[in-house]
Amino acid sequence: KNQVEQSPQSLIILEGKNCTLQCNYTVSPFSNLRWYKQDTGRGPVSLTIMTFSENTKSNGRYTATLDADTKQSSLHITASQLSDSASYICVVRGYQKVTFGTGTKLQVIP
Amino acid sequence: SQTIHQWPATLVQPVGSPLSLECTVEGTSNPNLYWYRQAAGRGLQLLFYSVGIGQISSEVPQNLSASRPQDRQFILSSKKLLLSDSGFYLCAWSPTTGPGTGFGYTFGSGTRLTVV
Repeated sequence: KNQVEQSPQSLIILEGKNCTLQCNYTVSPFSNLRWYKQDTGRGPVSLTIMTFSENTKSNGRYTATLDADTKQSSLHITASQLSDSASYICVVRGYQKVTFGTGTKLQVIP
Repeated sequence: SQTIHQWPATLVQPVGSPLSLECTVEGTSNPNLYWYRQAAGRGLQLLFYSVGIGQISSEVPQNLSASRPQDRQFILSSKKLLLSDSGFYLCAWSPTTGPGTGFGYTFGSGTRLTVV
């Protein structure tokens, strides 16, 4: 069964600090992995996308890594800002099937 | 550039009333279209997807239905809402051809439905 598990479920960090969110998946065969940011009450917005051959992808202060061998991905946020408070969703695409993680809720406090 | 519009943003409906949520996409042709529901604290659940006009696939049995009367229009409906239909509904599209094929979705801004 294709699954995408994210950890932690929720996280509170101080403004300016770094954090790392985890995504483990069992989707097979693997096509690509995407991280989304979802502000409360809004639709998810894509942050990064990685295919099998990509190990790292950056988007500003967001850096995603992918280890296709261990089926793990992480999203690292550098120098967090209050506006980073949101849910972060890992989405893995297999063959004709997309599986969503339940997300990590991040709260950045001053 | 492509844009996706979803409305209304919020909706409060009584139990037993009908529902119609609309989603339109601009700037692309023949997109794949999707309706998702997100319950509070839960992940996204795929409700329907469409690969073309009049072609609807349902992922889960439910009180809702979907229609695609035009290439870039996707409608989510219900004849009689249930309390359990409350949630956050998201429309999304993905390209079927070209460099973005299979590379994920662009989501609308969502509709918060509260059934009372």
